Amino acid sequence: GAGVSQSPRYKVTKRGQDVALRCDPISGHVSLYWYRQALGQGPEFLTYFNYEAQQDKSGLPNDRFSAERPEGSISTLTIQRTEQRDSAMYRCASSPYLPGQPRFRTFTYEQYFGPGTRLTVT
Amino acid sequence: AQKITQTQPGMFVQEKEAVTLDCTYDTSDQSYGLFWYKQPSSGEMIFLIYQGSYDEQNATEGRYSLNFQKARKSANLVISASQLGDSAMYFCAMREGTDSWGKLQFGAGTQVVVTP
Repeated sequence: GAGVSQSPRYKVTKRGQDVALRCDPISGHVSLYWYRQALGQGPEFLTYFNYEAQQDKSGLPNDRFSAERPEGSISTLTIQRTEQRDSAMYRCASSPYLPGQPRFRTFTYEQYFGPGTRLTVT
Repeated sequence: AQKITQTQPGMFVQEKEAVTLDCTYDTSDQSYGLFWYKQPSSGEMIFLIYQGSYDEQNATEGRYSLNFQKARKSANLVISASQLGDSAMYFCAMREGTDSWGKLQFGAGTQVVVTP
């Protein structure tokens, strides 16, 4: 079946430009996560959604970063006025969280990652 | 403070040998989950194995097993009978009880190279 898809796969932009990164989760997955991964490092959490509601945006580095998921499916991560330090791999993941599950079961839902968008700011 | 610590930046292992990747974690929650992911050079993130804090048995998935020592707060991954295709970056991650369906917090990873 189709996995998590992200577009574009590669994005080169000039400093100061805005970029929009798209994530299309696995069909039916309720939870959607955004991470940023620097070269040679583990993914770093940015934000996540259950349905269309943004549950946690504590990982967004500053107010130039925003994310939305208006219809509870596709999500867009937007970076305004890009800076060179924003260069990284941006990964999206989705998870089949099912409301009403016993809490101890919800931990088991692994996150399925997309291929990522490699962002380079020049 | 670092929540997940992977102290081995890189390891070499011979084909068919077993290898243990270290992971220690820091949490004050009673409920949490621990995950291992594999990232080959292609860049994808592949889920390998999961261990819940209340699970009494160590998790196993094929050639992967998780050596869970709760008192020591360690969750080491053991790969038995290494294959060339196991060469990859391996990440340990945790999801904490206060946010049971929320974010994963990752370690810095361990690069494994399997040699013939």
